[in-house]
Amino acid sequence: GAGVSQSPRYKVAKRGQDVALRCDPISGHVSLFWYQQALGQGPEFLTYFQNEAQLDKSGLPSDRFFAERPEGSVSTLKIQRTQQEDSAVYLCASSPKPGNWAGANVLTFGAGSRLTVL
Amino acid sequence: SQQGEEDPQALSIQEGENATMNCSYKTSINNLQWYRQNSGRGLVHLILIRSNEREKHSGRLRVTLDTSKKSSSLLITASRAADTASYFCATDGANAGGTSYGKLTFGQGTILTVHP
Repeated sequence: GAGVSQSPRYKVAKRGQDVALRCDPISGHVSLFWYQQALGQGPEFLTYFQNEAQLDKSGLPSDRFFAERPEGSVSTLKIQRTQQEDSAVYLCASSPKPGNWAGANVLTFGAGSRLTVL
Repeated sequence: SQQGEEDPQALSIQEGENATMNCSYKTSINNLQWYRQNSGRGLVHLILIRSNEREKHSGRLRVTLDTSKKSSSLLITASRAADTASYFCATDGANAGGTSYGKLTFGQGTILTVHP
């Protein structure tokens, strides 16, 4: 597609529910990143995929967070047993280059999925 | 955790004035990037400066980098109401070999308001 597409744009969940957030990166982009952005803050890194391999998940805040990219294109971020502190905008970004490229990675971001946990 | 500190947190100016935002960071970098975010939208890449560069221009944007002070500034000249947005600096840390990892670490952002 022309850009990075995320769905749903808005999600309201009751505490304890599971949610799944989808990211369609730009076709052919090797690298895919998930970020979490709390209100009034900058984005914080969650996890990174190079094709289907999850190379870095150091930013996932707990084992309730799980991400996958099984075929190296679409990615899903799943949050189990949601808590109020999970309320945030979840941003997906992709890049045509692998993470260890000698150049510089410029990310293209989606519009984000805003999660509100009641 | 956030890598950078940005100041000011908020900046309010009149159309036609220049806007300067500053960013400080803590670790070695391969490059530093500036992104813009309109309310309720994703981030849009503005400009990138590599660790061996000191200044870069793109249209009305000018970015400087001082690696000895671990700081950068973004100048927007002749601002317009449409420049109203949040601006974030993001550092791309260097691997042991000095190559980019591509994992950007963002600052807290500066909220810029340009009044017509």
